[in-house]
Amino acid sequence: QQQVKQSPQSLIVQKGGISIINCAYENTAFDYFPWYQQFPGKGPALLIAIRPDVSEKKEGRFTISFNKSAKQFSLHIMDSQPGDSATYFCAASRGTDSWGKLQFGAGTQVVVTP
Amino acid sequence: DVKVTQSSRYLVKRTGEKVFLECVQDMDHENMFWYRQDPGLGLRLIYFSYDVKMKEKGDIPEGYSVSREKKERFSLILESASTNQTSMYLCASSLSLTAPTDTQYFGPGTRLTVL
Repeated sequence: QQQVKQSPQSLIVQKGGISIINCAYENTAFDYFPWYQQFPGKGPALLIAIRPDVSEKKEGRFTISFNKSAKQFSLHIMDSQPGDSATYFCAASRGTDSWGKLQFGAGTQVVVTP
Repeated sequence: DVKVTQSSRYLVKRTGEKVFLECVQDMDHENMFWYRQDPGLGLRLIYFSYDVKMKEKGDIPEGYSVSREKKERFSLILESASTNQTSMYLCASSLSLTAPTDTQYFGPGTRLTVL
């Protein structure tokens, strides 16, 4: 049973549009929420991460929005570009878990059309 | 740059064979992880290791074992491969036990097919 539920499974967006991926969790002990980006033939790579003491974090065109009360967080990709076409995974871990084990969502395949 | 390498990109084995997947990291990281990636299921943790000769089960350890004889090398072993172990296997490493939010760095993956 997945501890982090991710949606949608896939999405297609036009160049310049906004891509939005949503994740939800149940375990209130989670306190670290990274997003990983995976290109075909490559392993995932950290894109951006957030702690629950802030409601939003922005890095360039990528923004994480975090809603602690709803136990939801989302990734927004502004001005989407064809180079953003990849699979995106949300994840969560507990800070008290010193091994840094991550629980991953199922992934969202994003296709940005020219 | 951190580099995590995996011994094979593609591997085809027969049911019942013993399979070794090797992973090497070059940044003196303490933690190493093995995941399997399946469509619609994301990444699921099989085993991880926080020190040489130390290992902990992840969420789906059944049918797998691991070995970490040297800090830089972490091996995943399928004692008797079965068709339901056909998957993409990803190795990752992270720096330190004292920083649970450390970034995990992934290798490119090994696509294993068990016939």
